[in-house]
Amino acid sequence: SAVISQKPSRDICQRGTSLTIQCQVDSQVTMMFWYRQQPGQSLTLIATANQGSEATYESGFVIDKFPISRPNLTFSTLTVSNMSPEDSSIYLCSVRTGATDTQYFGPGTRLTVL
Amino acid sequence: GENVEQHPSTLSVQEGDSAVIKCTYSDSASNYFPWYKQELGKRPQLIIDIRSNVGEKKDQRIAVTLNKTAKHFSLHITETQPEDSAVYFCAASTRDYKLSFGAGTTVTVRA
Repeated sequence: SAVISQKPSRDICQRGTSLTIQCQVDSQVTMMFWYRQQPGQSLTLIATANQGSEATYESGFVIDKFPISRPNLTFSTLTVSNMSPEDSSIYLCSVRTGATDTQYFGPGTRLTVL
Repeated sequence: GENVEQHPSTLSVQEGDSAVIKCTYSDSASNYFPWYKQELGKRPQLIIDIRSNVGEKKDQRIAVTLNKTAKHFSLHITETQPEDSAVYFCAASTRDYKLSFGAGTTVTVRA
């Protein structure tokens, strides 16, 4: 399986500011996704990060709030913009490798907004 | 979109006993069903998965069964051990590979 890293691992931010989370994979992957896991909750898909084009967002998530970039096949960023305490969550990237359905998750970024 | 329901929300078992977690899905086009284990403060780890062309899959103490007609699938853990204590998530996806997760089951194995 691919080795996935995320930066930062955790952060505490003030409301109204923005944070960019990075996801790096040690090999080229076919698909990258961003999920949110609110405290004590399940995982919810935010968007599919498309290489070289705009991300595909799920219902309830918009580009202005969660801009995503994927400049190549091993790297993606998620920005949480104009943060409020409700954005306090763990943000995880996941990757799908090769021709399989299998998805592996990064270690996550724990975000606290004050 | 896909809706995945998972039961029970909590499960406490004696060490050595079996644990069963059940999930149902709504989209008949779903064709891939993974199970993830998440320990406190850690990332979700894939423990087993099954595709729609298979009815059952086993890996040592873990097995998953799928009933496509009834649109439900289950995780079975036999001979539970304290290290099996964690939150378990079922998920489903269609050909777009987007995972829809169940709400999770907190499993506690009592020594």
